Amino acid sequence: GAVVSQHPSWVICKSGTSVKIECRSLDFQATTMFWYRQFPKQSLMLMATSNEGSKATYEQGVEKDKFLINHASLTLSTLTVTSAHPEDSSFYICSALTVNDSPLHFGNGTRLTVT
Amino acid sequence: QKEVEQNSGPLSVPEGAIASLNCTYSDRGSQSFFWYRQYSGKSPELIMFIYSNGDKEDGRFTAQLNKASQYVSLLIRDSQPSDSATYLCAVLNAGGTSYGKLTFGQGTILTVHP
Repeated sequence: GAVVSQHPSWVICKSGTSVKIECRSLDFQATTMFWYRQFPKQSLMLMATSNEGSKATYEQGVEKDKFLINHASLTLSTLTVTSAHPEDSSFYICSALTVNDSPLHFGNGTRLTVT
Repeated sequence: QKEVEQNSGPLSVPEGAIASLNCTYSDRGSQSFFWYRQYSGKSPELIMFIYSNGDKEDGRFTAQLNKASQYVSLLIRDSQPSDSATYLCAVLNAGGTSYGKLTFGQGTILTVHP
């Protein structure tokens, strides 16, 4: 089945630094990738939709200048958390859309801890 | 506001019993429904998806959809301790600029005790 690889699986950084998270579709081309965030004991919340070759679409309340998304190819999308703060500590998960109406496939997630 | 509602639980069932997980959604135009299982600290994994009214069975899992009532459920037969996890109901947005977006319920914590 379709495989989505996410890297790194966990990262610890100091407040004020930037962190880049990669999401790759390994055996298919993903025209659309989604970035979710999950805080402890809460459900997944969509942050943004990443389309190859165009600007990402951000959900209400998500700062586009803080969470930079780049989808430069059909197999790679990156999320950069800029000037990270402790409140950005969360579980970040990407997913990819294969063909219309197919179940989304999730990466393994990235646990970000900002100290 | 598109919403997906689940009972957060926890739902506790004995090993071998049937676990019943329920979900309601507000967007009547929704067409695709998914159940994901999420173990603590892990990413969600797809269990089943259902598009048509009625039942869909896959091994020990049965998804049920009633679009008129805007209700979708997941039954787990012969529950095992390894089924203990959080179960997320998700609805795929119907189309247009929102296509592909999943709206998740808050999840139901299931505990299967020996």
